[in-house]
Amino acid sequence: GDSVTQMEGPVTLSEEAFLTINCTYTATGYPSLFWYVQYPGEGLQLLLKATKADDKGSNKGFEATYRKETTSFHLEKGSVQVSDSAVYFCALSDLYSGAGSYQLTFGKGTKLSVIP
Amino acid sequence: DADVTQTPRNRITKTGKRIMLECSQTKGHDRMYWYRQDPGLGLRLIYYSFDVKDINKGEISDGYSVSRQAQAKFSLSLESAIPNQTALYFCATSDQGQGGGETQYFGPGTRLLVL
Repeated sequence: GDSVTQMEGPVTLSEEAFLTINCTYTATGYPSLFWYVQYPGEGLQLLLKATKADDKGSNKGFEATYRKETTSFHLEKGSVQVSDSAVYFCALSDLYSGAGSYQLTFGKGTKLSVIP
Repeated sequence: DADVTQTPRNRITKTGKRIMLECSQTKGHDRMYWYRQDPGLGLRLIYYSFDVKDINKGEISDGYSVSRQAQAKFSLSLESAIPNQTALYFCATSDQGQGGGETQYFGPGTRLLVL
């Protein structure tokens, strides 16, 4: 079945440091890929997404590129801020799997803490 | 006002009690979902509904039931709560997609503790 593996946290960075959170996936079909972010005490919200190979999703200075050849969707940001402290989830939906496109498969989440 | 609301936000109950968690949405979406989040495990799907008459089990439906009272309302019940149902529960909605990539919109969560 489909699965998502992301780097374990917690990750602690100083403000303005470069961020990479690795995410790799396995899927039976042609998945869409997502990064969701969960700020303290809140629900998840979509950060960015990509629906086909070589697409780049971007939002709020974060970027991720859908790499089919390496089955990866790594999240990057050039200069993190304290306000980026949150838990980040990589996820996929696979239109052609038995579950259909509504089924989101999540990674376990990576907690990021940014210190001043 | 929030698009997806959940009540209660926090709940403490005892083993064997029946409880209901409620979710309402103003986004006009047909699809609604219930997830639970456990530390280190990510989110897992409990139930989902494509419309009022269509309800389906997710990955971990045992011990749970749901009711879709209207397009905007989707409730999750624990018929007889047990301690390993202690978790953070999220409701989510999405629009009917055409080819994958539909965004899901999450509520703020209900933190449940079963003693």
